[in-house]
Amino acid sequence: DIVVTQSPDSLAVSLGERATINCKSSQSVFYTSDNKHYLAWYQQKPEQPPRLLIYWASTRASGVPDRFSGSGSGTDFTLTISSLQAEDVALYYCQQYYGPPYTFGQGTQLEIK
Amino acid sequence: EVQVVESGGGLVQPGGSLRLSCVASGFTFSDYWMAWVRQAPGKGLEWVANIKYDGSEKNYVDSVKGRFTISRDNAKSSLYLQMTSLRAEDTAVYYCARLEYFLSYWGQGTLVTVSS
Repeated sequence: DIVVTQSPDSLAVSLGERATINCKSSQSVFYTSDNKHYLAWYQQKPEQPPRLLIYWASTRASGVPDRFSGSGSGTDFTLTISSLQAEDVALYYCQQYYGPPYTFGQGTQLEIK
Repeated sequence: EVQVVESGGGLVQPGGSLRLSCVASGFTFSDYWMAWVRQAPGKGLEWVANIKYDGSEKNYVDSVKGRFTISRDNAKSSLYLQMTSLRAEDTAVYYCARLEYFLSYWGQGTLVTVSS
């Protein structure tokens, strides 16, 4: 099974500042056949289901503000929020969908400093 | 508008069974793989199972293999999760989600509590 590890477990950032969350997979999630990284990011606010933010490591889902961006390659990926807003307080998860079981990271709690 | 709505959760004793349902709308259900993902209280997300658009392929996390069965009825735009031999560690909110490699749309979830 592919193990996905996020860092840090929690993060406090001032409003308007940059927030960066890291995600590392135990093996590459890149398929050479289609030149894609099989990695997604989700946001979960309290008492709500997760919401897709980023797929293929760097493609924003519909309706996601452009302050959210994904980057990385191979086994190391990053979710960046360029200018933190109050509504961005949430848990963030990365997930690999390279192969079953489609494992998630443990989550990163993002708070306002 | 894409919607998936789960139902069927509740309190069940260890060793018992439960069947979860998920009704989809706003998209052509038979064109998409679907998945169940769970979240234990205060814990992270765990992918449980997924099923191909025509039901011909299914995958399960090891911890539920032989106990849970995922199925679908495309005529009813419905997804199911039959859970048997339930254990305390199966206690979680179970989410139904549309699968496009990634999980593009999620329901609100249904809570399953396994306790005596």
